[in-house]
Amino acid sequence: DSGVTQTPKHLITATGQRVTLRCSPRSGDLSVYWYQQSLDQGLQFLIQYYNGEERAKGNILERFSAQQFPDLHSELNLSSLELGDSALYFCASSVTGGLDTEAFFGQGTRLTVV
Amino acid sequence: GENVEQHPSTLSVQEGDSAVIKCTYSDSASNYFPWYKQELGKRPQLIIDIRSNVGEKKDQRIAVTLNKTAKHFSLHITETQPEDSAVYFCAAETGSARQLTFGSGTQLTVLP
Repeated sequence: DSGVTQTPKHLITATGQRVTLRCSPRSGDLSVYWYQQSLDQGLQFLIQYYNGEERAKGNILERFSAQQFPDLHSELNLSSLELGDSALYFCASSVTGGLDTEAFFGQGTRLTVV
Repeated sequence: GENVEQHPSTLSVQEGDSAVIKCTYSDSASNYFPWYKQELGKRPQLIIDIRSNVGEKKDQRIAVTLNKTAKHFSLHITETQPEDSAVYFCAAETGSARQLTFGSGTQLTVLP
C-alpha cells in the first residue's frame, strides 16, 4: 500500500457525461500529480498541484480540470467524455513536488467510456 | 519541455540472463532519475533511483547508471527471474515545478 488513495477504482460512463476522480495523497505530501495511461501506452502527465496551487501542466485537455483542496486531496474532473478518454488515471504524491523526491502512486481509477 | 525516450519497447530474455533498458533525456537541468516497475493492472512502483551527483547505484540484482554529459541513463537487471516480467518506466524530474516526465515504457518478458 503506497498510502495514496484513489476513488473510485472503476468507473463506467457514457459519452458526453462528466465524472470526478478523487485522490488523497500520503500524509504529509504536499504535491499531487495526475497521469493518464491509455491501453498499451505510457504515463502521460496531466497536471501537478502543490499545496493547493497549480504548479505544472502537461497535455491536459481543456475538457479536463483539476484542483487541490485545503486538506490536500485532489479531484480531476473530466467532462464531455469521449470514447478516447477511456484510460487508467493515476494520481501520485510526493513531499515537496519535486526536489529529488520519490513519487508514490495510487492504485488508479479505470475509466471506461461507452 | 523535457523529452524522455526509452528503448527498447519490448524485451525478452531467458531466465538468468541480464536485461538492459536505456533512456535519454533532453533537459540538462534534470537531476533525479527514478525507475518504476508496473505489473499488469497495478500501479507503478519505484524500484531504484539515481541522482545527478552519482554515476551508478546498485540494489541487489538491479543497477542504474547515469551519464549526465550524454544525457542518458540505463537500468540493468541481472540474473533475471520470471517475476521480473513487467513494464518498466524510466523518468526524469524536470521543469520549473520539477514534475516527472516518463519514458514510454519497456515490456520485459523473462522466459523460463
